[in-house]
Amino acid sequence: QSVLTQPPSASGTPGRRVTISCSGSTSNIGFNYVNWYQQLPGTAPKLLIYRNDQRPSGVPDRFSGSKSGTSASLAISGLRSEDEADYYCAAWDESVSGRVFGGGTKVTVL
Amino acid sequence: QVHLVQSGAEVKKPGASVKVSCKASGYTFTRYLIHWVRQAPGQGLEWMGWINTGNGETKYSQRLQGRLTITSDTSASTANVEVSGLRSEDTAVFYCMIHSSSSPFDHWGQGTQVTVSS
Repeated sequence: QSVLTQPPSASGTPGRRVTISCSGSTSNIGFNYVNWYQQLPGTAPKLLIYRNDQRPSGVPDRFSGSKSGTSASLAISGLRSEDEADYYCAAWDESVSGRVFGGGTKVTVL
Repeated sequence: QVHLVQSGAEVKKPGASVKVSCKASGYTFTRYLIHWVRQAPGQGLEWMGWINTGNGETKYSQRLQGRLTITSDTSASTANVEVSGLRSEDTAVFYCMIHSSSSPFDHWGQGTQVTVSS
């Protein structure tokens, strides 16, 4: 059971927009920055979004993040086949003094 | 550039212990916490614990408390994680990682497969 709650799956056709939610609490998302990661099979997670809504250099602007209260979301617009992957949200949690992750959302491009 | 290079795959029997290492380079070793994260087959990411490589302070997840030990060797720029009393459900890929919560500084090791099987 993950501390942060994500839907297990999301899907869309090429070119459409997909949004993934991440729900937490005041001890994690409500108080700290949210990061989003993309994980392709057999590889380590890759940072997509940091500080709630910032993109590292090299990440396409099709990926965007937002946060409100104790929830965050990741949006992928102009969906492409290479976006098929697992996506995780993460945040620092004050109650455990450590990082917590969402359970992951598998994005499928139909 | 930053590199986190982990030790190789391990196969252990139930009840045994396993130790995985993570050698860091390309940044000041004592500047960032090193976290350990594991991922069971087909499952999500689970935070295991961290070590402050500057002063040796550690913090472990409640789930692994009592079976987990994280250490670091500043002279070798290496962090280690040891899990004792292994069970089949400990089978997972172990990752070391470092990050800054407010910047894009975020780096992961390549992962180490730990398999627990009789």
